[in-house]
Amino acid sequence: DTGVSQDPRHKITKRGQNVTFRCDPISEHNRLYWYRQTLGQGPEFLTYFQNEAQLEKSRLLSDRFSAERPKGSFSTLEIQRTEQGDSAMYLCASSLEIRSYEQYFGPGTRLTVT
Amino acid sequence: QKEVEQNSGPLSVPEGAIASLNCTYSDRGSQSFFWYRQYSGKSPELIMFIYSNGDKEDGRFTAQLNKASQYVSLLIRDSQPSDSATYLCAGPRRSGNTPLVFGKGTRLSVIA
Repeated sequence: DTGVSQDPRHKITKRGQNVTFRCDPISEHNRLYWYRQTLGQGPEFLTYFQNEAQLEKSRLLSDRFSAERPKGSFSTLEIQRTEQGDSAMYLCASSLEIRSYEQYFGPGTRLTVT
Repeated sequence: QKEVEQNSGPLSVPEGAIASLNCTYSDRGSQSFFWYRQYSGKSPELIMFIYSNGDKEDGRFTAQLNKASQYVSLLIRDSQPSDSATYLCAGPRRSGNTPLVFGKGTRLSVIA
């Protein structure tokens, strides 16, 4: 097992475009989390899943953001009509349910909106 | 929502010294805390977690939790230049809820 993977690692897009990111968790982990991190800040929670069920969404997650985990394995995060304020590192993490606080992060997707 | 506060630093220590990183939190009910290390341009890496009052040691790292004072600390003994990174303190957002709330991180620089 090679850990959490994310794709793409970098994305540059123009304002108003839609983007989609993918996260593949550690295979035996049934919980998957999305966080966002900007320069000089710690990661901020966006949403998380247990298997295919989305259990919580942060108020940070506006209507332009949607996340899915259709088969309880990989997850996608889509941002519609991107804005410059969406520029950030989008981090995915996963954990076992029984050790849910011990979260392991992927390498992140760095989004730049021009 | 809970808050986790950290001094952003930078904290500079000479090689071989003990680095002490501190974190305070707002919720007296918090039971668990986590320390992540983040190198520049990389994602956070879990290095220590502590679930009970007192000390927990793992190699050169010791995590300390003081519930009465609502602070958690990380000590790094025999600091090495490779320890230079930002250290993030985190705790559960809400009791029984597993997403984490992170502090802003403390930047540590170990000078050779």
